[in-house]
Amino acid sequence: EAGVAQSPRYKIIEKRQSVAFWCNPISGHATLYWYQQILGQGPKLLIQFQNNGVVDDSQLPKDRFSAERLKGVDSTLKIQPAKLEDSAVYLCASSLVVYEQYFGPGTRLTVT
Amino acid sequence: TQLLEQSPQFLSIQEGENLTVYCNSSSVFSSLQWYRQEPGEGPVLLVTVVTGGEVKKLKRLTFQFGDARKDSSLHITAAQTGDTGLYLCAGDPTSGTYKYIFGTGTRLKVLA
Repeated sequence: EAGVAQSPRYKIIEKRQSVAFWCNPISGHATLYWYQQILGQGPKLLIQFQNNGVVDDSQLPKDRFSAERLKGVDSTLKIQPAKLEDSAVYLCASSLVVYEQYFGPGTRLTVT
Repeated sequence: TQLLEQSPQFLSIQEGENLTVYCNSSSVFSSLQWYRQEPGEGPVLLVTVVTGGEVKKLKRLTFQFGDARKDSSLHITAAQTGDTGLYLCAGDPTSGTYKYIFGTGTRLKVLA
């Protein structure tokens, strides 16, 4: 069974630029999560989708971050404009059963 | 804000030694999970514990959930180099929502 796919794996941008990350969850997984993991910290949930609806986006900085999940499958997370403090690994996870999350390899973002 | 504190932050041991890492909070969690994350990869779920006092074993790994459901420990017997990684605990503070808050992690290095 294929795992959660993410791209790109690495991205370097300058502050104030925009960036987008893509996630393809495990086939059949209705729930999709985006996490931000800053170096030296545990992952922090940004947004949770159930199919193509948002369940929780309480920790998403909505002035600069946006996410969508079209057709309840793939998802994109966008940052516009990026700040230095957005440098982190962005992890996507999906689940069939809510307490069993499968994580992708992440996208490492460096903002200079 | 619920906080999960993990200790120690860093641990370097020789192959064959035993070790215990801890996950503590002042809050009660309805369930708690342990993950291992290797460099460049997403976290991988090791175990979920849901009952106070529960002990689960996974080969050389023993997980315990505190009686009051505020803390947990992970014990590794006869560590191997393949156990090297970042160990993260994650707690669900609200029964039924399965929105896990991650701890800061313990970085383990097992030397040959």
